[in-house]
Amino acid sequence: ILNVEQSPQSLHVQEGDSTNFTCSFPSSNFYALHWYRWETAKSPEALFVMTLNGDEKKKGRISATLNTKEGYSYLYIKGSQPEDSATYLCAPISGGSNYKLTFGKGTLLTVNP
Amino acid sequence: NAGVMQNPRHLVRRRGQEARLRCSPMKGHSHVYWYRQLPEEGLKFMVYLQKENIIDESGMPKERFSAEFPKEGPSILRIQQVVRGDSAAYFCASSSEETQYFGPGTRLLVL
Repeated sequence: ILNVEQSPQSLHVQEGDSTNFTCSFPSSNFYALHWYRWETAKSPEALFVMTLNGDEKKKGRISATLNTKEGYSYLYIKGSQPEDSATYLCAPISGGSNYKLTFGKGTLLTVNP
Repeated sequence: NAGVMQNPRHLVRRRGQEARLRCSPMKGHSHVYWYRQLPEEGLKFMVYLQKENIIDESGMPKERFSAEFPKEGPSILRIQQVVRGDSAAYFCASSSEETQYFGPGTRLLVL
């Protein structure tokens, strides 16, 4: 069972602030890392799948980086908007299986207008 | 293009009854996964299925739980003789390649 840590657990920012949060995972036997955005009462929405050390992916104002050697990924949101309010989940996959997502508990982001 | 569909969205059962949760994957997806979120916990993998095959059920409780993905029709997660501890949100995801797309979940409450 992978030990996945996300920090902080929750975060309150003002509209327009930029923010970032961390996902830590075991670096050994790494296969891929998934990021999801989960709004209350909706389905988790896939943001990124990252596989290579040093990878950087971007989707609009959201971007993510990956360091597989030290076992962490950062998610950045530039110019936060109230609609960015959600729980952001990371889920690494180890080499033992290339499909079994092991989710962290998430970072709950609240963006105040 | 409809996303992953799950029904029912909410299900109430009394202890000892059976619960059947359905998942229709996205069109063209042949891989289905079930995850469970217990109260105050994160999503946990239960089972991975392809059409007519269980590939990995390592996350399924050993008793009372079963899953299938028949050649025709939705994937079914079946819980027999439910107990209060089965109360949780059950999510299904489907994929054709690496990204798993999630449904809205079924919230099961056992009285």
